[in-house]
Amino acid sequence: GAGVSQTPSNKVTEKGKYVELRCDPISGHTALYWYRQSLGQGPEFLIYFQGTGAADDSGLPNDRFFAVRPEGSVSTLKIQRTERGDSAVYLCASSSYVSDTQYFGPGTRLTVL
Amino acid sequence: KNQVEQSPQSLIILEGKNCTLQCNYTVSPFSNLRWYKQDTGRGPVSLTIMTFSENTKSNGRYTATLDADTKQSSLHITASQLSDSASYICVVSRNNAGNMLTFGGGTRLMVKP
Repeated sequence: GAGVSQTPSNKVTEKGKYVELRCDPISGHTALYWYRQSLGQGPEFLIYFQGTGAADDSGLPNDRFFAVRPEGSVSTLKIQRTERGDSAVYLCASSSYVSDTQYFGPGTRLTVL
Repeated sequence: KNQVEQSPQSLIILEGKNCTLQCNYTVSPFSNLRWYKQDTGRGPVSLTIMTFSENTKSNGRYTATLDADTKQSSLHITASQLSDSASYICVVSRNNAGNMLTFGGGTRLMVKP
């Protein structure tokens, strides 16, 4: 595709539920990043992939958060037992190699009631 | 601690006027500094990137400056347009962590007619 796409654009769930957020990077980009952005703040790093492997997951807040990229393209961010504090916009970005410019998707707005 | 601080938090200017946004960082080691523009509901889009040896970089009406000694950067917007209304985020990359980015909180700019 022309850019990074993310689905769904909006997700409303109840506290305690499980959610999956999907990211389709730009074709051919080997590096993929997940960020979380709270209202009025800059994005906060969660995890990044180089190919299929998570090169750095130090930003994941706790073990309820997990991300995969099984074929080195599409990635899924998974959140178990959601809490109200998980409400935020989850941004995905990709780059052609690890030190290149990152191109961001539009984000998924997650609301936990 | 690696931090990026931006000021002001928000700014309102009249169409056609100039403005300057500030960014101070304590990120170390330093690889590059980028300014991103983020429209409401969209992912950030890169405006400029500067490495240690670059003092200034322009992109149309946007001019970024970098003082690596004082660890300060500015983004100057000339002859503002209504479409400049957005959040402007300063992002610093560390050179020993792949492409790990530290984001500032952003300056929310509103251009009024």
